[in-house]
Amino acid sequence: DAGVIQSPRHEVTEMGQEVTLRCKPISGHDYLFWYRQTMMRGLELLIYFNNNVPIDDSGMPEDRFSAKMPNASFSTLKIQPSEPRDSAVYFCASSTAYNEQFFGPGTRLTVL
Amino acid sequence: AQKVTQAQTEISVVEKEDVTLDCVYETRDTTYYLFWYKQPPSGELVFLIRRNSFDEQNEISGRYSWNFQKSTSSFNFTITASQVVDSAVYFCALSEPRDDKIIFGKGTRLHILP
Repeated sequence: DAGVIQSPRHEVTEMGQEVTLRCKPISGHDYLFWYRQTMMRGLELLIYFNNNVPIDDSGMPEDRFSAKMPNASFSTLKIQPSEPRDSAVYFCASSTAYNEQFFGPGTRLTVL
Repeated sequence: AQKVTQAQTEISVVEKEDVTLDCVYETRDTTYYLFWYKQPPSGELVFLIRRNSFDEQNEISGRYSWNFQKSTSSFNFTITASQVVDSAVYFCALSEPRDDKIIFGKGTRLHILP
């Protein structure tokens, strides 16, 4: 069974550009999480979904960040406009209730 | 409120030594789940173990073992006969059934020196 799939694996963009990160969770998992990891702040939960519905977006840093989950097999995290301080590794993870989260390989975002 | 503390920011040991990574947690619930994850230099986060609060038996998996003690709110992780491939950042984490989120500690960076 395939794990969590994220694309792209690396993204380099210029400040002000729109960035879209994609995630395909493990089939059958009804929870999907988006995290951001930086050296300074560690691993931060941005938002999570249950059955495609956003449950808690309190970790989303600003209105420039938005996330959607149009169906059970796909989610996007969008940054518009991007800024250099958004440079980080963004992880997507999925799970079933009360169980361990399985993480994707991450997207390394660099905003110049 | 939930909290996970990994007091050891960074540890270095020589290969073949045993090493223990500490994890202390705080929770008001009697039912909760504890986790350990490994993040090797390649960057992915790898699930290692999940333990629920009602199961205090220690777990052993090869060179890895976990010591869960509710009396001290600790869930420590020991690597026996460490190897260079064990070099990674290790995260301890906690979740409660009333909250779908997992709270991660800040991680311990482990260096195994050849």
